[in-house]
Amino acid sequence: GAVVSQHPSWVICKSGTSVKIECRSLDFQATTMFWYRQFPKQSLMLMATSNEGSKATYEQGVEKDKFLINHASLTLSTLTVTSAHPEDSSFYICSARANSANTGELFFGEGSRLTVL
Amino acid sequence: AQSVTQLDSHVSVSEGTPVLLRCNYSSSYSPSLFWYVQHPNKGLQLLLKYTSAATLVKGINGFEAEFKKSETSFHLTKPSAHMSDAAEYFCVAGWGAQKLVFGQGTRLTINP
Repeated sequence: GAVVSQHPSWVICKSGTSVKIECRSLDFQATTMFWYRQFPKQSLMLMATSNEGSKATYEQGVEKDKFLINHASLTLSTLTVTSAHPEDSSFYICSARANSANTGELFFGEGSRLTVL
Repeated sequence: AQSVTQLDSHVSVSEGTPVLLRCNYSSSYSPSLFWYVQHPNKGLQLLLKYTSAATLVKGINGFEAEFKKSETSFHLTKPSAHMSDAAEYFCVAGWGAQKLVFGQGTRLTINP
């Protein structure tokens, strides 16, 4: 199946710093990628939909200035957590759809564990 | 509103016994349906998907699911549980061009 690579897998940073997480589709082009946040023992919460070449669409309650999303190419989307605080500590997962229809399966990255000290 | 409900937050079975993870969706329209598995600190892996073809769908690792429109259900089953099946399972639905809707997840524990 298609592969989505997420980097880094683990990151620890000091409060107030910014952290960038990359999501790459390795063997297919993804016009749309999705970013999720997952709290312990909970389901995935969609944060935003990342569209190649245009601004991301954020879900209600997600601060767009806090979570900057850039989809610079058909194979790369980045999530930058700006001025991170301990409450931003979480597991962040990206996914990409292999085709434009909603019937296409989503391929998920391995996730990035962010810990803010 | 469209929603997905996984009826059990935690299921515990003995190794070698059958597994049943339940999923119901609420909508007048039949969605595309997926089951994903997540191991600790990992992303999600697709087990199987239903996209209006055969109602009984076979997936990887011996899992299968049956789409029942009359019951708006898409329960996941496996005849014989393995220790390696212990993980979190998510039922996911998609309607047309709208974003996907995730169930709350079911944690599967396998007892030796």
